[in-house]
Amino acid sequence: EVQLVESGGGLVQPGGSLRLSCAASGFTFSSYWMHWVRQAPGKGLVWVSRINSDGSSTSYADSVKGRFTISRDNAKNTLYLQMNSLRAEDTAVYYCARDHKSWGQGTLVTVSS
Amino acid sequence: QPVLTQPPSASASLGASVTLTCTLSSGYSNYKVDWYQQRPGKGPRFVMRVGTGGIVGSKGDGIPDRFSVLGSGLNRYLTIKNIQEEDESDYHCGADHGSGSNFVWVFGGGTKLTVL
Repeated sequence: EVQLVESGGGLVQPGGSLRLSCAASGFTFSSYWMHWVRQAPGKGLVWVSRINSDGSSTSYADSVKGRFTISRDNAKNTLYLQMNSLRAEDTAVYYCARDHKSWGQGTLVTVSS
Repeated sequence: QPVLTQPPSASASLGASVTLTCTLSSGYSNYKVDWYQQRPGKGPRFVMRVGTGGIVGSKGDGIPDRFSVLGSGLNRYLTIKNIQEEDESDYHCGADHGSGSNFVWVFGGGTKLTVL
């Protein structure tokens, strides 16, 4: 069974940093492209970033380009999202997703002073 | 890149049928769209992918036969028959666009389905 478990969320001040993790199991992690998608409270889904299977190619939404970095450790079956220069508008539940079909339960990031 | 438009809300009575619509912006009529179900406090659950020819690939795990899709022009439809209480959820549609550093994955605003 495919399992994706996000962690690392929490309360952070504006301008601060946070690193999210997504632990994957139940499939060959190194074979799949992975995504981060976020959802602000009461709002819709917004794609954040994508990384290819070996980590050599990444894409970002314009709203996070230059501030967020996606990476992966295939030996640890783990996906990461390093978030710097956080803003109030980054407040959301962050989900990792495998291709388009499997999603985690999310981790909440709150940016507030 | 395409814009996906969904009505914010829909409702249907227990046992009835409802059709949810996701509309692609002009020029993107050949795009496939994924439907997701999201129950309160949970992550999205893949329902199925739809193109103009109907379902693409297979349904998501555990999606009942009551769920079906259709595609026509710029519209992608998700129909739920014999609605049950557990179908009350937010339903999102999403589509890929571009490749490499120009890739984006866009979503509609979601439709909140209320079971009466």
